[in-house]
Amino acid sequence: DQQVKQNSPSLSVQEGRISILNCDYTNSMFDYFLWYKKYPAEGPTFLISISSIKDKNEDGRFTVFLNKSAKHLSLHIVPSQPGDSAVYFCAASVDNAGNMLTFGGGTRLMVKP
Amino acid sequence: NAGVTQTPKFRVLKTGQSMTLLCAQDMNHEYMYWYRQDPGMGLRLIHYSVGEGTTAKGEVPDGYNVSRLKKQNFLLGLESAAPSQTSVYFCASSYSQANSPLHFGNGTRLTVT
Repeated sequence: DQQVKQNSPSLSVQEGRISILNCDYTNSMFDYFLWYKKYPAEGPTFLISISSIKDKNEDGRFTVFLNKSAKHLSLHIVPSQPGDSAVYFCAASVDNAGNMLTFGGGTRLMVKP
Repeated sequence: NAGVTQTPKFRVLKTGQSMTLLCAQDMNHEYMYWYRQDPGMGLRLIHYSVGEGTTAKGEVPDGYNVSRLKKQNFLLGLESAAPSQTSVYFCASSYSQANSPLHFGNGTRLTVT
């Protein structure tokens, strides 16, 4: 049973609009959450993270929101750009557990010019 | 600064053959990891290491062995390849501080026929 789920395998948005990628988790022990971005033929690259003691973290065009009670987090990209087209993975970890990450299945974002 | 380097990039094996995937990092990271990526399942942890000479099992360790003889290298071995091991393999490394993000290599695409 997947502990981290991304229920939308793909998302298409227009350039300049907002992209919202969602992620749900089941393990209440998770206390740190990350988003990774992956281009074809490359490894995932770290994008943004959030600790469970926060409900929002912002970095430029990227904002991650965490709703602990709902075990849900989301990544907002505003405004979306064609270069944002990639697969986005949500990941979670447990503190003091060797930084090991549990990943969701990924969402392919396509930003149309 | 190369980061995390994986060799080879591609490999085709016949069932029952063996091979070793090499991962090297030049960031002086303590922790290293091997993940496999399969469609719709995200990345799953195979084995990991929290320091030179130490290894531990991850979520899907069966059929794989690892060694960390030097801090900068983490080897993943398949003793008798099976078609179910057809996948893209990613190596990653991180600092030992809690919640340090993982840095990934560009992957090895393995096909077992």
